[in-house]
Amino acid sequence: RKEVEQDPGPFNVPEGATVAFNCTYSNSASQSFFWYRQDCRKEPKLLMSVYSSGNEDGRFTAQLNRASQYISLLIRDSKLSDSATYLCVVNKNQAGTALIFGKGTTLSVSS
Amino acid sequence: NAGVTQTPKFRVLKTGQSMTLLCAQDMNHEYMYWYRQDPGMGLRLIHYSVGEGTTAKGEVPDGYNVSRLKKQNFLLGLESAAPSQTSVYFCASSYSRGYQPQHFGDGTRLSIL
Repeated sequence: RKEVEQDPGPFNVPEGATVAFNCTYSNSASQSFFWYRQDCRKEPKLLMSVYSSGNEDGRFTAQLNRASQYISLLIRDSKLSDSATYLCVVNKNQAGTALIFGKGTTLSVSS
Repeated sequence: NAGVTQTPKFRVLKTGQSMTLLCAQDMNHEYMYWYRQDPGMGLRLIHYSVGEGTTAKGEVPDGYNVSRLKKQNFLLGLESAAPSQTSVYFCASSYSRGYQPQHFGDGTRLSIL
């Protein structure tokens, strides 16, 4: 299994739709999880951290399943401005020197 | 509130030329990183630093050197540029190594002819 794996998409959805992305990670010792957003030719920006109990930020909900080693991101009521690539990010291990970035899932929201 | 600043934003080099990319952060972060991003490859870690005066190799260090003489600055050097180093380079910084999110600069687009 790759360290962090995501479905590259693209996911093409209409405005107002609900869309979910999944991400799997290989290292069961990983402790920190994040979703980043990257617009075309721009830098990655932190969207939200992912906590064990799951967490929500407005229209965005993140879930963590440690037993199955996957993370999900749910976007409700999609907006045109949500069109971007979403990166799943996991720390390598407890003494990890850096975060491991997935290759990203591309979302395109159309009117 | 600048965050992480990278210079230059764009550069075109000829094969064999050398150059230095500068990264500066004003968040008092201990950890700094250099990544490259290529189509279909995602972000790959080149080198990182866990504090002033320290550097370490990442996933793809060959052909690059780094220095961290001051806490706020992290320099990435290409001694003899090759076309395979054509990429978008991102610098990032964080409070801790693996538990806090990283904050990115807006990138340097480098083309090697």
